[in-house]
Amino acid sequence: KAGVTQTPRYLIKTRGQQVTLSCSPISGHRSVSWYQQTPGQGLQFLFEYFSETQRNKGNFPGRFSGRQFSNSRSEMNVSTLELGDSALYLCASSLEQEETQYFGPGTRLLVL
Amino acid sequence: AQSVTQLGSHVSVSEGALVLLRCNYSSSVPPYLFWYVQYPNQGLQLLLKYTTGATLVKGINGFEAEFKKSETSFHLTKPSAHMSDAAEYFCAATGANSKLTFGKGITLSVRP
Repeated sequence: KAGVTQTPRYLIKTRGQQVTLSCSPISGHRSVSWYQQTPGQGLQFLFEYFSETQRNKGNFPGRFSGRQFSNSRSEMNVSTLELGDSALYLCASSLEQEETQYFGPGTRLLVL
Repeated sequence: AQSVTQLGSHVSVSEGALVLLRCNYSSSVPPYLFWYVQYPNQGLQLLLKYTTGATLVKGINGFEAEFKKSETSFHLTKPSAHMSDAAEYFCAATGANSKLTFGKGITLSVRP
């Protein structure tokens, strides 16, 4: 089976812009979670989608949003980018909630 | 709220030496526990997991971890380090929802 794929792998944006990241889960997986990884804060949970519904949300501002499509693919959007949004954004998928999460390679976002 | 503690930020061992990476969790209910490894510029790869049952869990690449409820610990070990083990290691826990709570991570260096 193909693993979790994320596109694009690298992005450079400027402050104030918005960005959309995409994640395709492992075939058959219905749960998709997003995490932000930074050197200072480590790995932090953004949100989780299951069957097109947001089931859990982390402590991030409303500028961070996401959605999941009927084929379980997910996108996350960050509006009005700030320098502090520079990070590695990781997507993970699992069969159901509470199952093992498998991670993609991440999208590295640099905000200038 | 659940928390995961990984003491120290860096461990250095000689090739062939024992690897011991410590992890403690804080939860009133034993969570599911995981160890992930991250190589430079890559996503997280699952090493092993504990859900229920046997407390000694074997993972990939010769790693294993033991769940000790009395000590709220889930330390990762490998009898003999290899140069290819050099990476960052994350301990994580999840409970009733699928939100993974990560430790700060620890960088393992292997000296020839």
